[in-house]
Amino acid sequence: QSVLTQPPSASGTPGQRVTISCSGSSSNIGSNYVCWYQQLPGTAPKLLIYMNNQRPSGVPDRFSGSKSGTSASLAISGLRSEDEADYYCAAWDDSLSGVVFGGGTKLTVL
Amino acid sequence: QVQLQESGPGLVKPSQTLSLTCTVSGGSISSGSYYWSWIRQPAGKGLEWIGRIYTSGSTNYNPSLKSRVTISVDTSKNQFSLKLSSVTAADTAVYYCARVASTAWFDPWGQGTLVTVSS
Repeated sequence: QSVLTQPPSASGTPGQRVTISCSGSSSNIGSNYVCWYQQLPGTAPKLLIYMNNQRPSGVPDRFSGSKSGTSASLAISGLRSEDEADYYCAAWDDSLSGVVFGGGTKLTVL
Repeated sequence: QVQLQESGPGLVKPSQTLSLTCTVSGGSISSGSYYWSWIRQPAGKGLEWIGRIYTSGSTNYNPSLKSRVTISVDTSKNQFSLKLSSVTAADTAVYYCARVASTAWFDPWGQGTLVTVSS
């Protein structure tokens, strides 16, 4: 059972917009930045969003992040087949004094 | 740009100690205000944070693993290491090392190394 809660799966058709939620508590998302990671099959995770809504250079602006209270969301617009991957949210947890991850969401592009 | 590479035995016997090293290239492990971290992922499962170290030697560990984990740094070799004692089959996973810019901001990551615990 992960500290941060994500839906196990999500799907969409090419060109659609999909969102992935990440729910936490006041000790993690509620008081710290959220990051998002994309993990393509057989590869290491890659940073997608940091500090709630910032994109590293090279990440398309189709990817956006937001945070409200103790929840965060990752939105992917103009869905493409290459977006099919696992997505993880992460945040520091003040109570645990460590990093907590969501359980991951498997995105399928239909 | 900075790159990270994990190395170590791919097979460890139960009750023994798992030891991995992460070599940092393309930059000094001591430059900038970075932590250096270990994260693992059992096959088909999610990511689990193991712990982190600052180049001063200051560490933070996952409470669920704290009694078995030691992370150390060797700035002269531009490396940091993980030791996990008393391993069981539940410790079988791909182990990643990563640079930490801030709290949960891991970038870049190493490619990962599979460690299997089996007799």
